[in-house]
Amino acid sequence: QLQLQESGPGLVKPSETLSLTCTVSGDSINSGNYYWVWIRQPPGKGLEWIGSLFYTGNTYYNTSLKSRATMSVDTSRNQFSLKLNSVTAADTAVYYCARQATVIAGNWCDPWGQGTLLTVSS
Amino acid sequence: QSVLTQPPSVSAAPGQKVTISCSGSSSNIGDNYVSWYQQLPGTAPKLLIYENNKRPSGIPDRFSGSKSGTSATLGITGLQTGDEADYYCGTWDSRLSAWMFGGGTRLTVL
Repeated sequence: QLQLQESGPGLVKPSETLSLTCTVSGDSINSGNYYWVWIRQPPGKGLEWIGSLFYTGNTYYNTSLKSRATMSVDTSRNQFSLKLNSVTAADTAVYYCARQATVIAGNWCDPWGQGTLLTVSS
Repeated sequence: QSVLTQPPSVSAAPGQKVTISCSGSSSNIGDNYVSWYQQLPGTAPKLLIYENNKRPSGIPDRFSGSKSGTSATLGITGLQTGDEADYYCGTWDSRLSAWMFGGGTRLTVL
């Protein structure tokens, strides 16, 4: 059974860089037909897509993040990561990682990790 | 403001039926499959409907999905108090090369 687990610092200071890792278990991150995605949810608000990453390194990003986001994959550890620089209080959110089927494969996100709360505060 | 438009809230009595709409455009809903997600309070979203109208294993047939043109609809029959949650539609936007979520709809079972 495929499972995803986010890990991160919990608290980051304004202007610093946020770093999160998603560990995939139960299947290889090299599986075809799937992207690996980061999604966040500010407190009391809706879901916001951050970006999608293929195991080859091909990426798509939410342009609203203004190039602050960088995603990478470590196939040897079956993990993928997110870095978000120059964070502000507006980046405070629960961050989820998930598997995203490609458009050809059905275009859905499942499963999701349990989420990790990231607070930006001095 | 989301590219996919959902009503902020819907409500109905236990046992009744409710529908939640998701309106988009030709480059997202009109061009790609739509999926729906249920987020119970304090939990991660869960896939409810995929490829417009298919249910993952374990999802009861009280939940259904449909798509027509640039709009999609989630239907829930036989409402239960346990269905109270936030529901999101999602799809890929081919023009923007970006994943889109609707703004979410809060279902209240009165």
